[in-house]
Amino acid sequence: GAVVSQHPSRVICKSGTSVKIECRSLDFQATTMFWYRQFPKKSLMLMATSNEGSKATYEQGVEKDKFLINHASLTLSTLTVTSAHPEDSSFYICSARTFADTQYFGPGTRLTVL
Amino acid sequence: AQRVTQPEKLLSVFKGAPVELKCNYSYSGSPELFWYVQYSRQRLQLLLRHISRESIKGFTADLNKGETSFHLKKPFAQEEDSAMYYCALLSYGKLTFGQGTILTVHP
Repeated sequence: GAVVSQHPSRVICKSGTSVKIECRSLDFQATTMFWYRQFPKKSLMLMATSNEGSKATYEQGVEKDKFLINHASLTLSTLTVTSAHPEDSSFYICSARTFADTQYFGPGTRLTVL
Repeated sequence: AQRVTQPEKLLSVFKGAPVELKCNYSYSGSPELFWYVQYSRQRLQLLLRHISRESIKGFTADLNKGETSFHLKKPFAQEEDSAMYYCALLSYGKLTFGQGTILTVHP
């Protein structure tokens, strides 16, 4: 089956610094990837849709200047949390969509901002 | 706007008992619905989608447009079914997830 990886799996950073999270589709090409945020024992909240070769589309209430998304190739999307603060601490999950319109999810990245 | 509701946060059953995880949706168009499962310390994975009408790991789900429901059922639950289950609706290429139901199957 299709595999999506995320790196790093967990990261701890100081308040005010920026953190980059990578999402890769390992055995298929994905023109569209998605970034979600998951709070403990709660649902996944879609943050943005990442489109290869064009600007990301952000959901209402998500600050695009804070959560920078780059989708430079058909297998890689990156999410950069800029000037991170403790309230940005969360579990970030990406998914990649196949041509059959099925989304495959990465294992997630645990971000802790001190 | 679309909405997916899973009314039960927690559901506990004994091994061998039937299980039903409820999912209701609101959507103005023709819905495309999914069930995703997340086992402990594992990633979210697709369990089934309504258009394929298949049974995966003994689970089935039928779309009921009259009741706007897509409940997940299994006649005989197994301990390895214990996990978090999410119902999701696809609209304009984006998934909207329900709040999730934690299923615990006791021996």
